Amino acid sequence: GQNIDQPTEMTATEGAIVQINCTYQTSGFNGLFWYQQHAGEAPTFLSYNVLDGLEEKGRFSSFLSRSKGYSYLLLKELQMKDSASYLCAFSSNDYKLSFGAGTTVTVRA
Amino acid sequence: GAVVSQHPSWVICKSGTSVKIECRSLDFQATTMFWYRQFPKQSLMLMATSNEGSKATYEQGVEKDKFLINHASLTLSTLTVTSAHPEDSSFYICSARDVQVDHEQYFGPGTRLTVT
Repeated sequence: GQNIDQPTEMTATEGAIVQINCTYQTSGFNGLFWYQQHAGEAPTFLSYNVLDGLEEKGRFSSFLSRSKGYSYLLLKELQMKDSASYLCAFSSNDYKLSFGAGTTVTVRA
Repeated sequence: GAVVSQHPSWVICKSGTSVKIECRSLDFQATTMFWYRQFPKQSLMLMATSNEGSKATYEQGVEKDKFLINHASLTLSTLTVTSAHPEDSSFYICSARDVQVDHEQYFGPGTRLTVT
């Protein structure tokens, strides 16, 4: 999407922590999603934030600041299987999702 | 729960032919389904919103006469790519919104279309 930005690529070591930042601009906001997508597969839901703050779910956490139009996804204790593309998306008032271009995370041994 | 299926998972067709892709919500009712297209190494782009019992709404730049959408029931939406051309080759993904869960959208596994 043209009004949602995230880094293109990130590389980290197995067991480490990686933070993927996402900034967005929209007039109508109904929540911020993070999805994981492996090559050739559909996205799978990771997290949803509609209020400011941190949502923790196991090794993955997501943060939202609506005033700053900013979110991040935190991946802890990285595993090789976490190598994938991570998509940031915001939902507009009509529930349409606008996706960022995705961040390809490569986990190295 | 909350499973969305797509059929076929992949299809190869000749230029000029039409291809129909089905999207089904298997265990919930979906008044709204969304159709996305994803080209290699790019993100998902919303093509259209499919509403049960009414006409689909298309995003800017998407030809409604080329991409026919029908949402005849609360569990089925179809996308027909008419007169397909090689540039239509892409990964088509649908998602369905569960009316009982305000924000959640569930994605189908996608359909890989290759037009030769």
